Amino acid sequence: EDQVTQSPEALRLQEGESSSLNCSYTVSGLRGLFWYRQDPGKGPEFLFTLYSAGEEKEKERLKATLTKKESFLHITAPKPEDSATYLCAVRGTSGTYKYIFGTGTRLKVLA
Amino acid sequence: SQTIHQWPATLVQPVGSPLSLECTVEGTSNPNLYWYRQAAGRGLQLLFYSVGIGQISSEVPQNLSASRPQDRQFILSSKKLLLSDSGFYLCAWSKGASSYEQYFGPGTRLTVT
Repeated sequence: EDQVTQSPEALRLQEGESSSLNCSYTVSGLRGLFWYRQDPGKGPEFLFTLYSAGEEKEKERLKATLTKKESFLHITAPKPEDSATYLCAVRGTSGTYKYIFGTGTRLKVLA
Repeated sequence: SQTIHQWPATLVQPVGSPLSLECTVEGTSNPNLYWYRQAAGRGLQLLFYSVGIGQISSEVPQNLSASRPQDRQFILSSKKLLLSDSGFYLCAWSKGASSYEQYFGPGTRLTVT
């Protein structure tokens, strides 16, 4: 069964304190791994898609990496505006359109 | 550019009342459309998806239903709401076979009392 586990559940950082969020996944063939940012009371905002192990993508202070079992979202020198819940999702090759989401990491960056 | 709309933004309904949530997408044609429910502290649960007009697939048996009367319109309905139907409902679209990214709407907060 396809599964996504994110850790930690919550993370508090000081402004400028770099860290990483983890997304471990089990899927029968990976079509794509997706990272989203979600602010309270709003819909998730698409950040990255990773398709194969070794792939990396960057956007401002965020960098996503992918291995065969997990993905990391690295946050470099975070700012308070980076505070949000970060969601990870996978879509497998099982022939359906189903996306499996993790429960997210709640990030709080303190000024 | 593409835009996805959902309404209403918030809704408070009594148990046993009907439900209709609407989602529309602008700026694209023949999108794949999805309905998700997000409960506090839990991941997004896929409820329905559609790859074309009148084509609906259900992921979770429940008292909800979905319809796609037009290419870019997706409706979530219920004849009688349950307390357990409370949650944050999200509509999403993707481009289909050429791209797997999903783009989400602003969501509807449903409280069943």
